[in-house]
Amino acid sequence: DGGITQSPKYLFRKEGQNVTLSCEQNLNHDAMYWYRQDPGQGLRLIYYSQIVNDFQKGDIAEGYSVSREKKESFPLTVTSAQKNPTAFYLCASIGLGNQPQHFGDGTRLSIL
Amino acid sequence: AQTVTQSQPEMSVQEAETVTLSCTYDTSESDYYLFWYKQPPSRQMILVIRQEAYKQQNATENRFSVNFQKAAKSFSLKISDSQLGDAAMYFCAYLEGYGGATNKLIFGTGTLLAVQP
Repeated sequence: DGGITQSPKYLFRKEGQNVTLSCEQNLNHDAMYWYRQDPGQGLRLIYYSQIVNDFQKGDIAEGYSVSREKKESFPLTVTSAQKNPTAFYLCASIGLGNQPQHFGDGTRLSIL
Repeated sequence: AQTVTQSQPEMSVQEAETVTLSCTYDTSESDYYLFWYKQPPSRQMILVIRQEAYKQQNATENRFSVNFQKAAKSFSLKISDSQLGDAAMYFCAYLEGYGGATNKLIFGTGTLLAVQP
């Protein structure tokens, strides 16, 4: 079945450490997105990529980095510069024709 | 910039009854998409219903329907015959960049729906 796979489901970060969240899709979608969800808030866009080797900052990109070396993969790195990384992170993708975004099951990141 | 507002942080409904969740948005565009997503405790994001702005007819999916008022920029979700499985956080979302290269979803803050047996 086609879909989006995020891993790990739970992740813990130590102070000063960079961590990478994985997002893989087999839907052949061109566009991929990373969102952050905090309690009491909706989803906020961190980064998005429309095509391979190209990506743009979203509304809250500071402290995060991404890469898009393959169409299927869009990993998100939470750097030590992100001082409040504890949140739920969702990856999404969209195909042609403005179809609804497909979402992964998310990664919960916590500080040790 | 487009914004989406959900003014009801929490709602409650009796099983088998009907409930309406409110959503308003701000945009200067004439063509766009609107969505309602459901997020149960598992935190999956599940698409409930979609509305294209150029369509005057309100979208319907089984027990879920919308009241789309384009001039008022209002997009409410009606859940009929509520079931216990409907209990979840519901997000209204606006698709920015329709027809262009952006395709960003702008989300409201959500409405937590409780269903009482």
